[in-house]
Amino acid sequence: NAGVTQTPKFRILKIGQSMTLQCTQDMNHNYMYWYRQDPGMGLKLIYYSVGAGITDKGEVPNGYNVSRSTTEDFPLRLELAAPSQTSVYFCASSYGQGGTEKLFFGSGTQLSVL
Amino acid sequence: GENVEQHPSTLSVQEGDSAVIKCTYSDSASNYFPWYKQELGKRPQLIIDIRSNVGEKKDQRIAVTLNKTAKHFSLHITETQPEDSAVYFCAASMNTGFQKLVFGTGTRLLVSP
Repeated sequence: NAGVTQTPKFRILKIGQSMTLQCTQDMNHNYMYWYRQDPGMGLKLIYYSVGAGITDKGEVPNGYNVSRSTTEDFPLRLELAAPSQTSVYFCASSYGQGGTEKLFFGSGTQLSVL
Repeated sequence: GENVEQHPSTLSVQEGDSAVIKCTYSDSASNYFPWYKQELGKRPQLIIDIRSNVGEKKDQRIAVTLNKTAKHFSLHITETQPEDSAVYFCAASMNTGFQKLVFGTGTRLLVSP
């Protein structure tokens, strides 16, 4: 199993540009999440999904959108990039049943908005 | 909503010493408390977790304690080794299964040989 795969690893955007961060998992996990990690601030939940076709907002959803058309994929869309969105983005997944709460994280995307 | 505070922000110890990281949470309904380790440039990985019906859990050199009354939980690492150097995050959640975790701000642990 590859686990959770994120692309790209690094990206520089200009203010106002758009992009999609890709995330896919091959563990047949029900639950998927997007977090952002700012220096010294821990991980903040942006959006999450409990299954295909179901998404909901986390703590910091403004400026982002998501979709979950399949169990495997959970892309994160930035429509109008702003400097405040400079961060490291982590996708994660969990099985979520039978007490299996462990989050499996992707390797992260370092995004700079200039 | 839930708020998790973590202390200290940095911790330096000598190899072989013990390290303790403390977290407090605000919502008494929280019932699941994991700890994640993030090595430099790597992804976070779960190292240990505890549920609210348990007061302590151990896994080799790592232990976590939970005080529900005081709403705090701690990570204890004994006989620290240089490879323990990393950032450690505590988190809290009201749910099991689906994890709407609230993370602490992290503790950078440096273990010197």
